[in-house]
Amino acid sequence: QSALTQPASVSGSPGQSITISCTGTSSDVGSYNLVSWYQQHPGKAPKLMIYEVSKRPSGVSNRFSGSKSGNTASLTISGLQAEDEADYYCCSYAGSSTLFGGGTKLTVL
Amino acid sequence: QLQLQESGSGLVKPSQTLSLTCAVSGGSISSGGYSWSWIRQPPGKGLEWIGYIYHSGSTYYNPSLKSRVTISVDRSKNQFSLKLSSVTAADTAVYYCARLPFWSGAFDYWGQGTLVTVSS
Repeated sequence: QSALTQPASVSGSPGQSITISCTGTSSDVGSYNLVSWYQQHPGKAPKLMIYEVSKRPSGVSNRFSGSKSGNTASLTISGLQAEDEADYYCCSYAGSSTLFGGGTKLTVL
Repeated sequence: QLQLQESGSGLVKPSQTLSLTCAVSGGSISSGGYSWSWIRQPPGKGLEWIGYIYHSGSTYYNPSLKSRVTISVDRSKNQFSLKLSSVTAADTAVYYCARLPFWSGAFDYWGQGTLVTVSS
């Protein structure tokens, strides 16, 4: 099992939109609609932002959205705000196991 | 509101066994439909899934750690535990416990994490 592939870093200016990709295989991302995304600020526990590819937990801003095409999932953040600066991790069910992506550092310029 | 709290030794010697416990409050660990998980994060690195235990007692582990990991549940204390044997410096990490609902495949509640350092 290999980790899911994410870009190491992305950046954007306040108000802009950014997209973070998460590439897996036909054994994980491509086979299950059980992709989730987590936001992690320094020194804090990860926070669930998206589950089942595109669903938002209660309390998560609708500026966060998720999608999937084939073996690649994506997280889009619209209307970037300073507080969105954090690390983001994707995660996929992989048949009795779970895989995380390597993480993407989002910088708000 | 569900809360999870990790506890255990923060310093473990190489070749020894790491032991952590996750106390669950605000809900029952015996509730159907959930698994209880351990995840770790080495300093400055990404998240790594260690394994989970279902309410039935079935366990699933990361293949890369499977030979060294044991996750168990103590329903009387509403807590679950992690044991990782034969540790090395590579096992130094912040260890998190988390809940995973079957239907979502996502970790919806997390503990605050506890740093475990492997050093002589």
